[in-house]
Amino acid sequence: AQTVTQSQPEMSVQEAETVTLSCTYDTSESDYYLFWYKQPPSRQMILVIRQEAYKQQNATENRFSVNFQKAAKSFSLKISDSQLGDAAMYFCAYRRGSQGNLIFGKGTKLSVKP
Amino acid sequence: GAGVSQSPSNKVTEKGKDVELRCDPISGHTALYWYRQSLGQGLEFLIYFQGNSAPDKSGLPSDRFSAERTGGSVSTLTIQRTQQEDSAVYLCASSFRGVPYNEQFFGPGTRLTVL
Repeated sequence: AQTVTQSQPEMSVQEAETVTLSCTYDTSESDYYLFWYKQPPSRQMILVIRQEAYKQQNATENRFSVNFQKAAKSFSLKISDSQLGDAAMYFCAYRRGSQGNLIFGKGTKLSVKP
Repeated sequence: GAGVSQSPSNKVTEKGKDVELRCDPISGHTALYWYRQSLGQGLEFLIYFQGNSAPDKSGLPSDRFSAERTGGSVSTLTIQRTQQEDSAVYLCASSFRGVPYNEQFFGPGTRLTVL
C-alpha cells in the first residue's frame, strides 16, 4: 500500500524568509502524481502545486517550488519570501495514476512570524 | 461557476442517531470524493464516484457508512447509528476527468460532533 510521510508536525518561518517542508512517500507504481495542499483555518483545502512522476523538471508556482527526488521518493515544498497569509496546515498527497483518491500525509502546521 | 459546496457546515448529533451530509460538486465534474479528517487519523479517503461506474467504497470504515450520488451530481453521505469516534470534519471534492492533473477541488467541509 502507498503511504505518505510528513516528518515535521510543525514549522515556523520569519516573514520574507524561505522554508522547506518535507514529504516522503512509498510506492511501487511508476505512474503517479504528487500534490501539496494548503488548509487555512477556514478548512478549505487549496491546491498549491502538483507534479507528475514522469516529469523530471521540478514544478514551480510563483513563490512555491518543489524538489522532486524520484529515486529517493522525496517531494519537498519550498516557500520563498514567506508571507503571513502562508500560515496554514500543509498536506502532501499522492495519487496513483491519472484519477482516483488522494492519499495524504499527516500534515505540517506552518507558522509565519512577522 | 461556484465551487464545491457542503451542508450543513456544522452538525451536532447524539450518539445512535443517523446523519446525512450533503455535497454539491462543481457543475460538470464527473468525479466526486468523500474524505474524513480527524485529529487521530488525519485525512482518510472514504468513497469515490466516477461517472456512471460503480463507486469505489474501499475507504468506508464500517457498514454504518454509505453514500449515494443522484443524477451524477449531488451526493449524500449517510452515517447510521453514529458513534463518538465518527466526530470529524467530512470533506467532499470533485474533479473533471480529462483535464491535466485531474485536480480535485474541495468543499469547506462539514464538522460533525457526536455527543
